[in-house]
Amino acid sequence: EIVMTQSPATLSVSPGERATLSCRASQSVSYSLAWYQQKPGQAPRLLIYGASTRATGIPARFTGSGSGTEFALTISSLQSEDFAVYYCQQYNNFYTFGQGTKLEIK
Amino acid sequence: VQLLESGGGLVQPGGSLRLSCAASGFTFSGYALSWVRRAPGRGLEWVSAVDSTDDSTYYADSVRGRFTISRDNSKNTLYLQMNSLRVEDTAVYYCAKVDGYNWNPFDYWGQGTLVTVSS
Repeated sequence: EIVMTQSPATLSVSPGERATLSCRASQSVSYSLAWYQQKPGQAPRLLIYGASTRATGIPARFTGSGSGTEFALTISSLQSEDFAVYYCQQYNNFYTFGQGTKLEIK
Repeated sequence: VQLLESGGGLVQPGGSLRLSCAASGFTFSGYALSWVRRAPGRGLEWVSAVDSTDDSTYYADSVRGRFTISRDNSKNTLYLQMNSLRVEDTAVYYCAKVDGYNWNPFDYWGQGTLVTVSS
């Protein structure tokens, strides 16, 4: 099983600033990496797939990068609606999610 | 696209429950589907997947042998039969549409149904 490790567990950032979330795979997943956003009481929403391709309707302030085992999600100029929990997911070999990063208001 | 889960509830350890996910807004038979759960205070966990034709099914180690995924393409509905339930199966269960065939990301999710396993 491929283990996905996200860091940090919690990230405190002020609105308008930039946030960078990290995700590491226990073995290479090539570019088969997605990012999801989940808010309380809501279903997860697909943000990024293929490590760096934004899903339909996702604002340009969300940027995914990386390949192999190291990935990052960068959110430039944080908006109030961006504070949520973010999960990475590999789909190279079945599916595995990271444990999530909670992005909170500083 | 809409995915609407139902069938959750309170069940005793060792009991059974069947979840359903009614789909609309896309050609149901053309896409793979999965179940994903989120236990209280924990992250997302993939549970099971089925391909578009129901010929191939896949399970996480934590549920293999206890859960069965199936689909009825004539009713646009996905199912998850859960047997021998354990306290650690308590979670919100989501159905998710795959962007094409297995193994691709999930482009749409339902709102989830809560399963509580407790005596």
